[in-house]
Amino acid sequence: EPEVTQTPSHQVTQMGQEVILRCVPISNHLYFYWYRQILGQKVEFLVSFYNNEISEKSEIFDDQFSVERPDGSNFTLKIRSTKLEDSAMYFCASRVGLPFFGPGTRLTVL
Amino acid sequence: QQQVKQSPQSLIVQKGGISIINCAYENTAFDYFPWYQQFPGKGPALLIAIRPDVSEKKEGRFTISFNKSAKQFSLHIMDSQPGDSATYFCAARQDAGGTSYGKLTFGQGTILTVHP
Repeated sequence: EPEVTQTPSHQVTQMGQEVILRCVPISNHLYFYWYRQILGQKVEFLVSFYNNEISEKSEIFDDQFSVERPDGSNFTLKIRSTKLEDSAMYFCASRVGLPFFGPGTRLTVL
Repeated sequence: QQQVKQSPQSLIVQKGGISIINCAYENTAFDYFPWYQQFPGKGPALLIAIRPDVSEKKEGRFTISFNKSAKQFSLHIMDSQPGDSATYFCAARQDAGGTSYGKLTFGQGTILTVHP
């Protein structure tokens, strides 16, 4: 069964450093998303991506965040200068109908 | 108006019992209402979903009841099993064919524990 994959599973970084979270969406999906989940809280929408551009972003997705689909398979989330409050699980999702989520990357900012 | 409110926060059920989780929404632009199941350290997995023109959908032991006039929907897990112990999130999809490109708004989650 096709699935969304994400790497790394856990990323530890120092405050102020740049991180890139990587995702391989399901191959025939057209819409791509990043969501995040702070420990013990609900899943929150960050950004949607369609037709090689951002289609919608939340207020969380400020200038420190960017997304890219550098080739036909990968979808990346970059955080330019991480803050302590960026510590969370980051989920990539893709869809034709309803989104399928990847297993997540746990980002820990020290 | 964008929120989806979910209750209870946690639920303890005996094996074989019925688990009921409730959600309410305000935004009438939501066009699809999925439930996701999440185990610790894993991503949310789609469990079952319903469109607002249907009042009930059943898949195995899982049933969604939908009340469009009240803007409420609920998940019923019949014959609950210890393996059902997980966090359950209701969600609402916004306007997949319009300007919101199908983003999901999630409820706060319900931690379900099924005792053997």
